[in-house]
Amino acid sequence: KQEVTQIPAALSVPEGENLVLNCSFTDSAIYNLQWFRQDPGKGLTSLLLIQSSQREQTSGRLNASLDKSSGRSTLYIAASQPGDSATYLCAVRPQNRDDKIIFGKGTRLHILP
Amino acid sequence: DVKVTQSSRYLVKRTGEKVFLECVQDMDHENMFWYRQDPGLGLRLIYFSYDVKMKEKGDIPEGYSVSREKKERFSLILESASTNQTSMYLCASSSSGQGRNGYTFGSGTRLTVV
Repeated sequence: KQEVTQIPAALSVPEGENLVLNCSFTDSAIYNLQWFRQDPGKGLTSLLLIQSSQREQTSGRLNASLDKSSGRSTLYIAASQPGDSATYLCAVRPQNRDDKIIFGKGTRLHILP
Repeated sequence: DVKVTQSSRYLVKRTGEKVFLECVQDMDHENMFWYRQDPGLGLRLIYFSYDVKMKEKGDIPEGYSVSREKKERFSLILESASTNQTSMYLCASSSSGQGRNGYTFGSGTRLTVV
């Protein structure tokens, strides 16, 4: 059964630092991996989608990598800003019939001004 | 800009009421999903649908039902609301296209049952 883990559950870093959020999954048979951002009391906003054949995707200050064979993905945030404070979730789309994505529980990020 | 729209951001309902949460997507997606999110428990799948008039139970379907009469609309129904259904409800949609596409989420409905 696919499981997705995000460690740490919470992270505080000073403004301006580069940081890495981690996501691991137990079954490499996936179609894709998606990173989301969630602000308190809001829905999920998709940040980056990496297909299983890709190694990384970039959007502005964000870069997500995927190593399917080792079951790992990282989200790199460059030059962090207070506005980056949010919960970041990763989710994998398994290659099975029921087509439901599996979420990690998220990393709550706080950027200190 | 493609969208998943949830009809209400905040709802307050009384115990025992029948509650309807509506979700509409404009992307012609085949798949639609309802999740609830609670602190410490993460996102839990309630029901999903692969096509019009089709529905499948997720991980926590008890106390809920769904309706999908049109492709763009997926409704979550609380037959008799209870206080333990106070939660954030999130709707999502996705395409079936060979699993290559991501999920798009709505902005959520915060439901309080009193």
